[in-house]
Amino acid sequence: EILLTQSPGTLSLSPGERATLSCRASQNVARNHLAWYQQKPGQAPRLLIYAASSRATGIPDRFSGSGSATDFTLTISRLEPEDFAVYYCQGYDDSPPWTFGQGTKVEIK
Amino acid sequence: QVQLQQSGPGLMKPSQTLSLTCAISGDSVSSNIVIWNWIRQSPSRGLEWLGRTYYRSKWYSDSAVSVKSRVTVSPDTSKNQFSLQLNSVTPEDTAVYYCARSRIGWEAGLFDYWGQGTLVTVSP
Repeated sequence: EILLTQSPGTLSLSPGERATLSCRASQNVARNHLAWYQQKPGQAPRLLIYAASSRATGIPDRFSGSGSATDFTLTISRLEPEDFAVYYCQGYDDSPPWTFGQGTKVEIK
Repeated sequence: QVQLQQSGPGLMKPSQTLSLTCAISGDSVSSNIVIWNWIRQSPSRGLEWLGRTYYRSKWYSDSAVSVKSRVTVSPDTSKNQFSLQLNSVTPEDTAVYYCARSRIGWEAGLFDYWGQGTLVTVSP
């Protein structure tokens, strides 16, 4: 089972700024099967990025993912008001259990 | 557009059995290219995958080791829905429970559609 550690715990930024979120895995994530989700208060998580760098359907291009092996990054190029939320990374290799990171909260500065 | 609508009680007492249902629209519980999952979220445990069911010529189900002896995930083809049963609940099972869809193959653990969530509180 892969352990995912996200940093920082909280990121305080202003609209229009760039956000860089990190996810580190305890072992290599096979085939870069790493996803990112966004969660707003009272809502279910929403899939943003899969396979480390592919955007899910309907996700704006200000969201981008990068990285490989054990180090992955989610970048939001210019924060919009609706982007302030909690972000989770998740590894999804071939078989369960699938694990999530503990989350990074992006809050308005 | 796939939609998942959850239903079930929000307040339980220790030792009771939790039963939640996820009604599917825009897809079929019997599709052989999708998987139906349950995931929960709590402050202490974060997001935790619990179990799944799927159809590949016959029905399969499996679950996380942490709840394996207590959990059942099963389909209801007549109502196009699936359910979660968790036996012998304790306050540690207090969480928001989600149903979610994934797809076969390398996407089996990638959750593209989610239910709205059900807050389940276990209290004496």
